[in-house]
Amino acid sequence: DIQMTQSPSSVSASVGDRVTITCRASQGITNYLAWFQQKPGKAPKSLIYAASSLQSGVPSKFSGSGSGTDFTLTISSLQPEDFATYYCQQYNSYPRTFGQGTKVEIK
Amino acid sequence: EVQLVESGGGLVKPGGSLRLSCAASGFTFSDYTMNWVRQAPGKGLEWVSSISSTGSYIYSADSVKGRFTISRDNAKNSLYLQMDSLRAEDTAVYYCARDAWADYWGQGTLVTVSS
Repeated sequence: DIQMTQSPSSVSASVGDRVTITCRASQGITNYLAWFQQKPGKAPKSLIYAASSLQSGVPSKFSGSGSGTDFTLTISSLQPEDFATYYCQQYNSYPRTFGQGTKVEIK
Repeated sequence: EVQLVESGGGLVKPGGSLRLSCAASGFTFSDYTMNWVRQAPGKGLEWVSSISSTGSYIYSADSVKGRFTISRDNAKNSLYLQMDSLRAEDTAVYYCARDAWADYWGQGTLVTVSS
């Protein structure tokens, strides 16, 4: 199974900050990597697929990069609505696996 | 508008069974792989099972293999998860999600396994 490791597990940031979350795969997954945002009590929401493609309707302050084993999600200019937990997921092979999540909190 | 609506969750005793449904609308259901993903209380996301567009290919997590069965009815635009031999550790919100990269998710249905 491919293990997905996110870092950090949590980050405290202020409105207007730039935040970067890293996701590392235990083996190469080319660009079969998705990012999700989840707010408390809500379903996850797709942000990025194919490592760097923005899901329709998602603001351009979200961006993804990487290939192979190392990936990043960047949120430029953090806004109050961006405080949430973010997950990466590989869909290169089965079983699909998620990172453990990164909670973005208000400083 | 793509919509996925789960139903069928509830309280069940250990060893019991439950069948979840996911009603899809707003897209050509028969064109897409579909998935079940769960989230235990206070925990992260866990992939459960996937089924190809025609139902020919099925994949399941080791944690549910032999106990859970994913299926679909393309004529009814519906996805199912038959859950047997339920355990306390299966307690979670169960989501259905569309396509390999889970671009759309339902609102989830809560399954509680407890005596």
